[in-house]
Amino acid sequence: EVHLVESGGGVVRPGESLRLSCVASGFTFDGYGMNWVRQAPGKGLEWVSNINWNGGTADYADSVKGRFTISRDNAKNSLYLQMESLRADDTAVYFCGRSLTVPALDYWGQGTLVTVSS
Amino acid sequence: NFMLTQPHSVSESPGKTVTISCTRSSGSIASTYVQWYQQRPGSSPRTVIYKDNQLPSGVPDRFSGSIDTSSNSASLTISGLKTEDEADYYCQSYDSGNHWVFGGGTKLTVL
Repeated sequence: EVHLVESGGGVVRPGESLRLSCVASGFTFDGYGMNWVRQAPGKGLEWVSNINWNGGTADYADSVKGRFTISRDNAKNSLYLQMESLRADDTAVYFCGRSLTVPALDYWGQGTLVTVSS
Repeated sequence: NFMLTQPHSVSESPGKTVTISCTRSSGSIASTYVQWYQQRPGSSPRTVIYKDNQLPSGVPDRFSGSIDTSSNSASLTISGLKTEDEADYYCQSYDSGNHWVFGGGTKLTVL
């Protein structure tokens, strides 16, 4: 059974940094692209970033480009999101998800909450 | 880039059939695949339809997806409604540059 477990969320001040992690199990991690999607409180879903199976290609939403970096460690079955220069509008639950063969997800984690507040 | 527009809310009775629409603002709905995600209150999203009309394993066949090029929209249809189907539903597609677009979500009430 596929499991994705996020961690690393918390409360930070504007301008600070945070690193999210997602540990995968139940499938061959290096056979899949991976993604981060976020959801602000009471709002809809917003795609943040994705990375291909070997980390060679990554893409970002315009709202986070230049501030967030996605990476992965296939030996540890882990996905990461390094978030810099955090702003109040980055406050959200961040979900990691496994890619389908098209830009979409088939499995989602339970999410980790990031709150950016002074 | 394009937008995906969904109705804010729909409601229907148990046992009935409901359809949720997702209209693409520009470009053909058929040019890229559409997915549908279900999010029950307090839970993470779950994929219920991918590649326009494909059903993931474990999703009941009461769920179906389709696209209509004449209205440039996709639809999620749920038949034999159950109270457990009450949730927010989001459509999602992408552009040629691998940038994803989500619809604003539709709240389904089963009453």
